[in-house]
Amino acid sequence: QKEVEQNSGPLSVPEGAIASLNCTYSDRVSQSFFWYRQYSGKSPELIMSIYSNGDKEDGRFTAQLNKASQYVSLLIRDSQPSDSATYLCAVTSNSGYALNFGKGTSLLVTP
Amino acid sequence: EAGVAQSPRYKIIEKRQSVAFWCNPISGHATLYWYQQILGQGPKLLIQFQNNGVVDDSQLPKDRFSAERLKGVDSTLKIQPAKLEDSAVYLCASSLLLAETPLEQFFGPGTRLTVL
Repeated sequence: QKEVEQNSGPLSVPEGAIASLNCTYSDRVSQSFFWYRQYSGKSPELIMSIYSNGDKEDGRFTAQLNKASQYVSLLIRDSQPSDSATYLCAVTSNSGYALNFGKGTSLLVTP
Repeated sequence: EAGVAQSPRYKIIEKRQSVAFWCNPISGHATLYWYQQILGQGPKLLIQFQNNGVVDDSQLPKDRFSAERLKGVDSTLKIQPAKLEDSAVYLCASSLLLAETPLEQFFGPGTRLTVL
């Protein structure tokens, strides 16, 4: 089973700060990368997808991908208490499109 | 647009009993996934359907788990007999027909199973 690794946290940041979430993956043929947000007791919700090296920005969120280092990250600017959740990194290989998830990083944004 | 529907939302059973979960994907979504999420873990794929055919069931414990997707729409996941370690949230997700790039998967609310 190919691995997707995340620091479980909790990562605590003050309101208005930048939260940085990191993820590494072991399967070099991985092609597509996703960040899901999961509130406690709720199902995962897609917030970002990225397919090529570099940065992708969407509002307060920026995903960064470095395939050579097998590393993907998510930056959340101007963090809000409502961003407090578990952030799941997910990766797909070229053998199908099912998601291989990490364990998630718990983010706490304090007022 | 209606989302992915799942039922029941909660289920409590004794070990060795059987249980079934139901999923109705978003209309028009050909691909359906069942994931198992144990507390503190990320979701793990159990089985993936495209229309009514199985694409991937490599992580499905076939001695006790079964799934079907008759007519390529609704799907059921069954556990028989259940074990304590099956306590988890069972998530159903769907996406449009597989194409050259992965498509967004939409998750249902999940079924929380407790095995006593």
